[in-house]
Amino acid sequence: QVQLKESGPGLVQPSQTLSLTCTVSGFSLTSNSVHWVRQPPGKGLEWVGAIWSGGSTDYNSALKSRLSISRDTSKSQVFLKMNSLQTEDTAIYFCTRGFAYWGQGTLVTVSS
Amino acid sequence: DIQMTQSPSSLPASLGDRVTITCRASQDIGNYLRWFQQKPGKSPRLMIYGATNLAAGVPSRFSGSRSGSDYSLTISSLESEDMADYYCLQSKESPLTFGSGTKLEIK
Repeated sequence: QVQLKESGPGLVQPSQTLSLTCTVSGFSLTSNSVHWVRQPPGKGLEWVGAIWSGGSTDYNSALKSRLSISRDTSKSQVFLKMNSLQTEDTAIYFCTRGFAYWGQGTLVTVSS
Repeated sequence: DIQMTQSPSSLPASLGDRVTITCRASQDIGNYLRWFQQKPGKSPRLMIYGATNLAAGVPSRFSGSRSGSDYSLTISSLESEDMADYYCLQSKESPLTFGSGTKLEIK
């Protein structure tokens, strides 16, 4: 069955770089897109970016200068890297396949 | 970027009520509109895709419709399990954008 699971550090210091991994199973990354969505505590959903089945990427306009999404198809993993983190980047980060299948999310707190 | 204006932000309602949540797109998105339900501490759940299509396993009391640039999610008879936050998402073009959300709560 389709599964996605996010992993990464729970705490990141301001100005540092966030690295998250979405490990998937039950489907191929070369046939499906994977999106990242985040949700600050108590707030709404925000689309972060996506890597499409062909490997191209798209990013949130406000984040694109700090953001990179990549993948390793042999390991069935999608990676998110965001630099120059600020407290406003504190959020639950979800990965999703086509918005029908979602990971459980991982909380990232930006704090010193 | 395409803006999705969602209303209302909060919707008090009683069990059995018919309720409607609306998103207005700032430019043409065709039927590239999804609706999600999210309960506290949970991942979003896809409810409607293609503006009007019910996702797998979603009760038939949920429906989606479109009138021009206005997209609506309607629950025909509210049940207690429907109390949640609801979001729309346009996927016509990148960057994709969510509506600001609607909290559906018991009156």
